[in-house]
Amino acid sequence: ETGVTQTPRHLVMGMTNKKSLKCEQHLGHNAMYWYKQSAKKPLELMFVYSLEERVENNSVPSRFSPECPNSSHLFLHLHTLQPEDSALYLCASSSADRYGYTFGSGTRLTVV
Amino acid sequence: AQSVTQPDIHITVSEGASLELRCNYSYGATPYLFWYVQSPGQGLQLLLKYFSGDTLVQGIKGFEAEFKRSQSSFNLRKPSVHWSDAAEYFCAVGASGGYQKVTFGIGTKLQVIP
Repeated sequence: ETGVTQTPRHLVMGMTNKKSLKCEQHLGHNAMYWYKQSAKKPLELMFVYSLEERVENNSVPSRFSPECPNSSHLFLHLHTLQPEDSALYLCASSSADRYGYTFGSGTRLTVV
Repeated sequence: AQSVTQPDIHITVSEGASLELRCNYSYGATPYLFWYVQSPGQGLQLLLKYFSGDTLVQGIKGFEAEFKRSQSSFNLRKPSVHWSDAAEYFCAVGASGGYQKVTFGIGTKLQVIP
């Protein structure tokens, strides 16, 4: 399966900037996820949307703000980030009747 | 709470040799188990999954994994490794429900030498 697209692939932002990450899937999946991947740490689940409703928010700082306007699109709005937020941000989607995620290629975020 | 342990952070094998990557999980009920692979600069790709039935599951790229309930293990195997298998491999355990809450291991980085 292909079909989860993340943009941009790379992003460098200053600590006072505001930017957004975009994720798009046209697989007909009903759940979408944001994960953070940092070196030497397990993937950290940030947010989950099921049927466009946020169902999980794992103690993520408020400088990260998700948005799911419809079942195909997921955004992660970023503002006032810290250098420790530099990581690979992965979007994934899943279907209720078929176990396993489909991941996008990720956005490599660098906060300077 | 569910958890996954991958005891080997880094493994090096020769091309053509067999491979086994270890995974142990903790989960209260019958687990849903997965192996994913990540090539540099890419997202994760599902290799195979188990949630019921035959405890030996076949996946893509010639990989297989065996579920052993008594050992809480789900080890990944390949009989003959190719240079293109060099990547990072993640074991994961999940729960069913309206959405899939999956916990990942820390990953095992595989290096393949000629």
